[in-house]
Amino acid sequence: NAGVTQTPKFQVLKTGQSMTLQCAQDMNHEYMSWYRQDPGMGLRLIHYSVGAGITDQGEVPNGYNVSRSTTEDFPLRLLSAAPSQTSVYFCASSPRTGQVGELFFGEGSRLTVL
Amino acid sequence: KQEVTQIPAALSVPEGENLVLNCSFTDSAIYNLQWFRQDPGKGLTSLLLIQSSQREQTSGRLNASLDKSSGRSTLYIAASQPGDSATYLCAVPVVDSSYKLIFGSGTRLLVRP
Repeated sequence: NAGVTQTPKFQVLKTGQSMTLQCAQDMNHEYMSWYRQDPGMGLRLIHYSVGAGITDQGEVPNGYNVSRSTTEDFPLRLLSAAPSQTSVYFCASSPRTGQVGELFFGEGSRLTVL
Repeated sequence: KQEVTQIPAALSVPEGENLVLNCSFTDSAIYNLQWFRQDPGKGLTSLLLIQSSQREQTSGRLNASLDKSSGRSTLYIAASQPGDSATYLCAVPVVDSSYKLIFGSGTRLLVRP
């Protein structure tokens, strides 16, 4: 029972490089989301999706892209990495019931941008 | 704009003590409130989800209450154990969307043996 799987767990990028953080869930959840966690700032929502083909912006979407071609996968793309994007990124999913229900989190992806 | 506050930021107690963690939110028009636990270097684990129509939820030694009118929720941990040491966070949906959650900054709990 894998739950929510994030890869990679650690990544170091140089400023201007692009990369994709992968997120997959095997619980057939319609809702998926990406958060970043920073010291002193807490968890902030980047993007979310309520089903395949549907995405929307959260609180801090600038510099990030998402797509949802399948129910299982919700990748987060950094288009041109900046030091301000150094953070721990969490993917989370939930059964869609008209609102966010119990959230299941991945273990996180720790990104450093030099 | 919904804001979520958790006080205290850190708490240290001896093993066996009963304790209460607090969560306050500014807008009472919420669908639900969720409590999470986060261990160092790990993701969050959902502990309890309280719907807006409920006043409390219980799971083992944990009891969460919700008072929408006062904008407050408490997480009660009975007979604390060293294994309860972690950061506890609460989260509520933002006012205009049930799909966007706002998290508190968390309470870092240390239970001393």
